[in-house]
Amino acid sequence: DTEVTQTPKHLVMGMTNKKSLKCEQHMGHRAMYWYKQKAKKPPELMFVYSYEKLSINESVPSRFSPECPNSSLLNLHLHALQPEDSALYLCASSRMTGTGNTEAFFGQGTRLTVV
Amino acid sequence: AQKITQTQPGMFVQEKEAVTLDCTYDTSDQSYGLFWYKQPSSGEMIFLIYQGSYDEQNATEGRYSLNFQKARKSANLVISASQLGDSAMYFCAMRVNFGNEKLTFGTGTRLTIIP
Repeated sequence: DTEVTQTPKHLVMGMTNKKSLKCEQHMGHRAMYWYKQKAKKPPELMFVYSYEKLSINESVPSRFSPECPNSSLLNLHLHALQPEDSALYLCASSRMTGTGNTEAFFGQGTRLTVV
Repeated sequence: AQKITQTQPGMFVQEKEAVTLDCTYDTSDQSYGLFWYKQPSSGEMIFLIYQGSYDEQNATEGRYSLNFQKARKSANLVISASQLGDSAMYFCAMRVNFGNEKLTFGTGTRLTIIP
């Protein structure tokens, strides 16, 4: 099972709302990622969790709050977002080998619109 | 810092022809991995092929092959016998080793297969 599942697929939220994006994988991967992708742009790394600990935060605004409750789940909590935060949010996972030669498996993404 | 350059924003190719998508990279690390991903309009990033910096042979996966020229720091993707379903955005990406789980993407090439 080489699948990363993201929910919801589409989300429209107001600037005062609080919502969460969810990501799940059952491949035993111990690295999980959140990427943000604007239209016609490459994905930009937001956060990396390694062994359920936050290992990389790419200077993301605090209105985005990641959480890794266990080795299979990754959440992204959203609060007080701005319209410019509208994008495709991709979750990914990969094995941890220490040598970097492992591919990341991506979910289908959540298309977020902030109104 | 790592950098990936894809110089072809868009390409149009006749069905059944072979196509080469260009990718050059820059890193001071000796140990790194190079990846190609396909992103259809649905949004999911699909892993295609991987090349390690110490791999002596070019990677192949079905109709995909990677033309790796280390001295020139290029990692071009070759798709043989293109199909209509190959129409998508293609991203070249790199990860340096030794525990760095960050995947750096190029700007992508939009490939359109013409029937």
